[in-house]
Amino acid sequence: EPEVTQTPSHQVTQMGQEVILRCVPISNHLYFYWYRQILGQKVEFLVSFYNNEISEKSEIFDDQFSVERPDGSNFTLKIRSTKLEDSAMYFCASSEPGGTSSYEQYFGPGTRLTVT
Amino acid sequence: LAKTTQPISMDSYEGQEVNITCSHNNIATNDYITWYQQFPSQGPRFIIQGYKTKVTNEVASLFIPADRKSSTLSLPRVSLSDTAVYYCLVGPNNNDMRFGAGTRLTVKP
Repeated sequence: EPEVTQTPSHQVTQMGQEVILRCVPISNHLYFYWYRQILGQKVEFLVSFYNNEISEKSEIFDDQFSVERPDGSNFTLKIRSTKLEDSAMYFCASSEPGGTSSYEQYFGPGTRLTVT
Repeated sequence: LAKTTQPISMDSYEGQEVNITCSHNNIATNDYITWYQQFPSQGPRFIIQGYKTKVTNEVASLFIPADRKSSTLSLPRVSLSDTAVYYCLVGPNNNDMRFGAGTRLTVKP
């Protein structure tokens, strides 16, 4: 069964450093997403991406964050200057366009980001 | 996006049927109701989606009354491996999915 993959599984970085989290969505999917989950808290939507542009973004997704689909397979999340409060599990997800299963997003295993 | 309310936690025993109810009083005409499951340290996983009446798949059933102001996820004969957090989401599209706190289901032997 196709799956979303994410690398690295765990990233440790120092405050103020830039990090790039990488995702390979399912190959025929056209919608891509990033979520984060701070330990013990709920899953929080960050951004959705379709047709090479951001579709929706939350209030969390400020100027420190950016997303990119640099080629036909990867989808990346960049945090320009990490803060301690960016420590969380970051999940990438992808979905097919439209249809009755419009809500079925497939999530990756996550990247645990630790900012020290 | 419609606000959802579900119990914070539930306990059950192996082999029992579990019903988790979600309230969504301000659901809109074009909103779908979707449930996800999340195990510790994993991403959420789609369980089931419905618009009205009843939907059943190999994992669960979803019951939606005529007024659509609530929905009930039914898990038949749960096992220990069904211990997870279950999220109810209500919305019209795929682009802005907002998770609530979910219901933490604990299945005991």
